[in-house]
This record gives sequence, structure tokens and C-alpha cells, in this order.
Amino acid sequence: DSGVTQTPKHLITATGQRVTLRCSPRSGDLSVYWYQQSLDQGLQFLIQYYNGEERAKGNILERFSAQQFPDLHSELNLSSLELGDSALYFCASSVLFGTIYFGEGSWLTVV
Amino acid sequence: ILNVEQSPQSLHVQEGDSTNFTCSFPSSNFYALHWYRWETAKSPEALFVMTLNGDEKKKGRISATLNTKEGYSYLYIKGSQPEDSATYLCAFQGRDDKIIFGKGTRLHILP
Repeated sequence: DSGVTQTPKHLITATGQRVTLRCSPRSGDLSVYWYQQSLDQGLQFLIQYYNGEERAKGNILERFSAQQFPDLHSELNLSSLELGDSALYFCASSVLFGTIYFGEGSWLTVV
Repeated sequence: ILNVEQSPQSLHVQEGDSTNFTCSFPSSNFYALHWYRWETAKSPEALFVMTLNGDEKKKGRISATLNTKEGYSYLYIKGSQPEDSATYLCAFQGRDDKIIFGKGTRLHILP
């Protein structure tokens, strides 16, 4: 158990819908990262937050947004969902410049 | 665009044999190089984090080396065992704290 909690574990939704994925980092970790793992792709970096502020941005679509709250949990919002958004979404946390620890991931299926 | 390349993509190794694989990364803006082990149906688990040129790390039968000047790292597994079957990911961490993963080397140990 890495100490990073992600919910929900599995989610099936229809095209055009909006979903929110939630992540609670390890105790004491201020950095939260979001990654997308889809078929035949590596872990694609989406976005990073540090202590409530956006720190780095990767290949995150405009339809996606994220935030980190004062209690340090983070949410990834995915809207106007398309079939191609079906993927495993990982959250990871760390202290600044430290090893990152992954949650178990949220499986999103868009039908 | 930051590229982290891993080779080979896939590798089959006889049980008991030793093996190694490569991670190539940009030599500029370097802060750290991470190695992770990712078993099917689990989340990636940290093996090593290396920051200094010439660093060598070891954990049991697994070791890693780092060359930041030429931008590569090797992961070695000595005396492969069935439990070593997994995908091995490397990740480049820049001075901006962004962590970018390679696509991984999928290792299969043959009994």
C-alpha cells in the first residue's frame, strides 16, 4: 500500500459526459501528479500540483482540468468525454523532488 | 518535446540468466532519473532514484547506473527469477520537478 488513495477504482460512462477522479496523497506529500495510461502508450504526464498551485503541465487536453485543495487532495475533471479518453488514470504523490508513489489508478471506460 | 526512450520494448530471458536494458534521456535540465517496476494489475513501484553522474544503486539482484553527461541509465538484473517478470519504467525528472516516463521495457522470464 503506497498510501495514495484514488477513487473510484472503476467508472463506466457515456460519451459527452463529465466525470471527476479523486486522489488523496500520502500523508506529508505536497506534490500530486496525474498520469494517463492508455493502450500502447506509456504513462502520459498530464499535470502536477504542489501545495495547491499548478506546478507543471503536460499533455492535458483543454477538456480536462484539475485542482488541488487546501487539504491537499486533488481532483481531475474530464468533460465532453470521448471514446479515446478510455484509459487508466494514475495519481501519484511525493515531497518536492522526491520519489513518487502511485495510487492504484482509476479505470475509466467511455462507451 | 522531452523524450525518454527505453530499449528494448520487450525482452524474453531464460530463468537464471542475467539481463540489462537501457533508458536514454536529455542531458539538459536534469535533476534525477527514476526506475520503477510495474507488475500487471498493480501500480508502479519505485526501485531507484539517482541524481549524480556515475551513481550506482543496488537492491538485491537489481542494480542501476547513471551517466548524466551522455544521457543514459542501465538497469541490470542478475540471475533472473520468474518474479522479475514485469514492465520496468524509467523516468526523467527535470529541475522543474516534472517527471516524464519512458514507455517501459516488458521483461518476460522463461522457466
